[in-house]
Amino acid sequence: DAKTTQPPSMDCAEGRAANLPCNHSTISGNEYVYWYRQIHSQGPQYIIHGLKNNETNEMASLIITEDRKSSTLILPHATLRDTAVYYCIVRGISSGSARQLTFGSGTQLTVLP
Amino acid sequence: GAGVSQTPSNKVTEKGKYVELRCDPISGHTALYWYRQSLGQGPEFLIYFQGTGAADDSGLPNDRFFAVRPEGSVSTLKIQRTERGDSAVYLCASSLSGRNEQFFGPGTRLTVL
Repeated sequence: DAKTTQPPSMDCAEGRAANLPCNHSTISGNEYVYWYRQIHSQGPQYIIHGLKNNETNEMASLIITEDRKSSTLILPHATLRDTAVYYCIVRGISSGSARQLTFGSGTQLTVLP
Repeated sequence: GAGVSQTPSNKVTEKGKYVELRCDPISGHTALYWYRQSLGQGPEFLIYFQGTGAADDSGLPNDRFFAVRPEGSVSTLKIQRTERGDSAVYLCASSLSGRNEQFFGPGTRLTVL
């Protein structure tokens, strides 16, 4: 699976949008971009995933650039409970792709009151 | 519905002892994964089950580690002759199939003294 690069940490004011970037310049055509987050002392939590179109769900929006080499996770109105480590993961889903998730170091997002 | 559960939540053992960690996946999920997370790092893949069989055990660090899923539901991760370096949080995840998003349990914190 392609490697991803994320900033180690970011701060965001409560109520503002949090924009978390991810670079995945070696992504291939059959690889999806997944985002998970891990709140302290909990297991990772699935947020959203996409292939090439922008995606939105009740938790977040995912914006993928046209060349698919980078993406941004957007939390539209961050709350203190969104403080967590956010992982951007590239994952293939073709029959020959590994099924496990390959986690990097992620971005520690701290939402400030 | 019920999520992924793991028992025990904490396990303290002495070097050289044998330990078993249990994972109860979400009902109906055919895929089950074990990961290990050391302090300050992202989770690392250990083994993936599809049904009863281990489809990929490439992440197991050595032959002291073994996992089973005899009836395609509950899984047990077994560690023989524990070492201090085995201390970590052991995470279990399940998914509907190998291609769907994974749902994680809260983890078992293993401490080897």
